[in-house]
Amino acid sequence: EDQVTQSPEALRLQEGESSSLNCSYTVSGLRGLFWYRQDPGKGPEFLFTLYSAGEEKEKERLKATLTKKESFLHITAPKPEDSATYLCAVPANQAGTALIFGKGTTLSVSS
Amino acid sequence: DAGVIQSPRHEVTEMGQEVTLRCKPISGHDYLFWYRQTMMRGLELLIYFNNNVPIDDSGMPEDRFSAKMPNASFSTLKIQPSEPRDSAVYFCASSPTGPRGELFFGEGSRLTVL
Repeated sequence: EDQVTQSPEALRLQEGESSSLNCSYTVSGLRGLFWYRQDPGKGPEFLFTLYSAGEEKEKERLKATLTKKESFLHITAPKPEDSATYLCAVPANQAGTALIFGKGTTLSVSS
Repeated sequence: DAGVIQSPRHEVTEMGQEVTLRCKPISGHDYLFWYRQTMMRGLELLIYFNNNVPIDDSGMPEDRFSAKMPNASFSTLKIQPSEPRDSAVYFCASSPTGPRGELFFGEGSRLTVL
């Protein structure tokens, strides 16, 4: 069964304290890995798509990287406004099926 | 441009009642998705449409759930009869590229079944 696992479930950081979130997957023949940000009471918002091992993408204080088995979302010098739940998702193996989402990592950044 | 619009934002109902959730996708997006989010199971796909035609409904929990897309600008998700275990946030999303592309989510409809 295709699975996406995110860790940790929750992460508390001080402002400026860098860290990383992990997303591991069991889907074979990866056809893209997606990162989304979800604020409380809102729908997920797209951040990045990665397609091949070694690929990296950046947006402000966020950098996403991809290996053959997992992806990391690195947060450099976070600010309180980075507090949110970060979700990763991969397409399932079966053709025509939609994204499978992990349960997310809830990040809290305090000043 | 307006994003995906969902209504109602909040719905509280009693067990056994019919619930209808509504969604207006982004104009020009040919794909529409219904997802359900709970603490226990996270975000799960219920069904998705391409050009108003249901493509994959394997995530629809049971016959109590039904979804329609009568035209390119409107979709409904209906639960009849509702049960407490249906309590969740229901998200509609649309995409111009397909089920494996970027999704644009609405703000969700929070359903509470008492």
